[in-house]
Amino acid sequence: DAGVIQSPRHEVTEMGQEVTLRCKPISGHDYLFWYRQTMMRGLELLIYFNNNVPIDDSGMPEDRFSAKMPNASFSTLKIQPSEPRDSAVYFCASSPRGGDEQFFGPGTRLTVL
Amino acid sequence: GIQVEQSPPDLILQEGANSTLRCNFSDSVNNLQWFHQNPWGQLINLFYIPSGTKQNGRLSATTVATERYSLLYISSSQTTDSGVYFCAAPALYNTDKLIFGTGTRLQVFP
Repeated sequence: DAGVIQSPRHEVTEMGQEVTLRCKPISGHDYLFWYRQTMMRGLELLIYFNNNVPIDDSGMPEDRFSAKMPNASFSTLKIQPSEPRDSAVYFCASSPRGGDEQFFGPGTRLTVL
Repeated sequence: GIQVEQSPPDLILQEGANSTLRCNFSDSVNNLQWFHQNPWGQLINLFYIPSGTKQNGRLSATTVATERYSLLYISSSQTTDSGVYFCAAPALYNTDKLIFGTGTRLQVFP
């Protein structure tokens, strides 16, 4: 299996622009997670899906953040408008079942100028 | 919620040395994961170890769930072992969610 795939790997944008991050989970995994990693706050869970349905979005920092999973093989995390404090590495992970081992993608390093 | 603490926060080794990293958690858990974040930022699964001992090459891990800790052993360390090691345990209120420790930063010098 190819593992979790994320794109783009790097994104540099200007404040106020819309940013869309993409994720393809491992085939057959029912759970998909979006995390953000910063030096100050470490790894934080933003939102996760089970069978394409958002289960818990309590980690989404603001209304500027939104996530969708239109089908079992694709999810997006959107930031609109972006701000410099959104600069971080965003990881997507997937898991076969709830509470099971999670596998992470390579991450997207976002820089907002 | 559950607290996950790792020690030591930093570790510097010479190539060939052995080391033990510790992960303490505040409540009983039914699974525990160890990850290695390499210098390029990738998070690599090392072990999924709810209890007992597992080995993978030079690395092994032991979880004693009743005593609320897990240990990661690295033997004959290599420069490629450098990076940050995280343990993660499921949240008490929702076992779908992982709570990560703050990590142990390991530097291995030749």
